Amino acid sequence: SAVISQKPSRDICQRGTSLTIQCQVDSQVTMMFWYRQQPGQSLTLIATANQGSEATYESGFVIDKFPISRPNLTFSTLTVSNMSPEDSSIYLCSVSTGVTGNTIYFGEGSWLTVV
Amino acid sequence: TQLLKQSPQFLSIQEGENLTVYCNSSSVFSSLQWYRQEPGEGPVLLVTVVTGGEVKKLKRLTFQFGDARKDSSLHITAAQPGDTGLYLCAGAVDYKLSFGAGTTVTVRA
Repeated sequence: SAVISQKPSRDICQRGTSLTIQCQVDSQVTMMFWYRQQPGQSLTLIATANQGSEATYESGFVIDKFPISRPNLTFSTLTVSNMSPEDSSIYLCSVSTGVTGNTIYFGEGSWLTVV
Repeated sequence: TQLLKQSPQFLSIQEGENLTVYCNSSSVFSSLQWYRQEPGEGPVLLVTVVTGGEVKKLKRLTFQFGDARKDSSLHITAAQPGDTGLYLCAGAVDYKLSFGAGTTVTVRA
């Protein structure tokens, strides 16, 4: 398994501002992902964070709104830009260790409320 | 559109009763994972099933992966209040997970 730490765990943000979420893993991992979980809903994949290159975004998510960095195999950031109340969600970092059927592990999440 | 359909959406039972949560899809997955999530926290992995027909048991929890690797079930025996939470199934295709909508389980003492 992998231990995943996210910062901040919670924040209240002003409309129109941007916030960067950090994700640190305790070991080198092949794949890192960012998910969003809107209130009362399930998880939706935002993008795959690629080490040393641009992230791969899922349909409905764009780099201008959710820029992602992954400078090495243990760290990634997700920025939520120009926030609106609709961006109020839990943002979750997850990793795949590449073993046991592509098992994916999640961090504790970052709970953002936009006011 | 979610690839995986979970049922039921909500489940409320008395302590000591059994429960089953179903996860169905028309898609084939390389693996399927079950998570439990509590309010304000990230999903915690319960199990990964990989082989069609596979059955895994973790104490009072039994997980089954369908022969065609399109569906799965989670059965809890003698449920306890500590089993309360949101149960999520997720199917993997090329390292990407597609999640079901989740089943909210409440076990009353």
